[in-house]
Amino acid sequence: GEDVEQSLFLSVREGDSSVINCTYTDSSSTYLYWYKQEPGAGLQLLTYIFSNMDMKQDQRLTVLLNKKDKHLSLRIADTQTGDSAIYFCAELYNFNKFYFGSGTKLNVKP
Amino acid sequence: NAGVTQTPKFQVLKTGQSMTLQCAQDMNHNSMYWYRQDPGMGLRLIYYSASEGTTDKGEVPNGYNVSRLNKREFSLRLESAAPSQTSVYFCASSEGLSGANVLTFGAGSRLTVL
Repeated sequence: GEDVEQSLFLSVREGDSSVINCTYTDSSSTYLYWYKQEPGAGLQLLTYIFSNMDMKQDQRLTVLLNKKDKHLSLRIADTQTGDSAIYFCAELYNFNKFYFGSGTKLNVKP
Repeated sequence: NAGVTQTPKFQVLKTGQSMTLQCAQDMNHNSMYWYRQDPGMGLRLIYYSASEGTTDKGEVPNGYNVSRLNKREFSLRLESAAPSQTSVYFCASSEGLSGANVLTFGAGSRLTVL
């Protein structure tokens, strides 16, 4: 349950949708998470999804989970400059072990 | 409503010096964690404590020791700092029960070893 991969950079224009992708390897992961990190700050939880769900929507955020392909994505609708940050996906393994991807830096151009 | 508090926020050490990073949480969480963040490598788990009185190694424990002093506090010690330990360190906590088990992070401690 240790290989969580993400692309390093994504650049979008304000108002467009952003899609950040993540792949993981441990099929026994129970929950998968998206965290946001703004410059100089710690990580904040954005949303999470239980592994038996396919989709979860929370305002501008949509999480899609393809368990067969071990693929997780985060879609941000109507992306704003305030969404510029690093986004981490993470998987929960064995109740209390979390493994994180390397983070995707989202740059939103005005 | 402090959440997870880490001290110090910044520290510069010389190679071979020792120091302790302090972490405290006020959410009555059972589990606590220490991560390090390096550019392009995401967060890597150093040590964690599933509950008071227990500690376990994570992915990168070499060069570090931890103490779970009580339910609130979890410290990380560098006995003999090396330049490879230059990083941003994050403490986090979670309820540690079955379920979603969300991590709450501190603001980070930036350590530079010269």
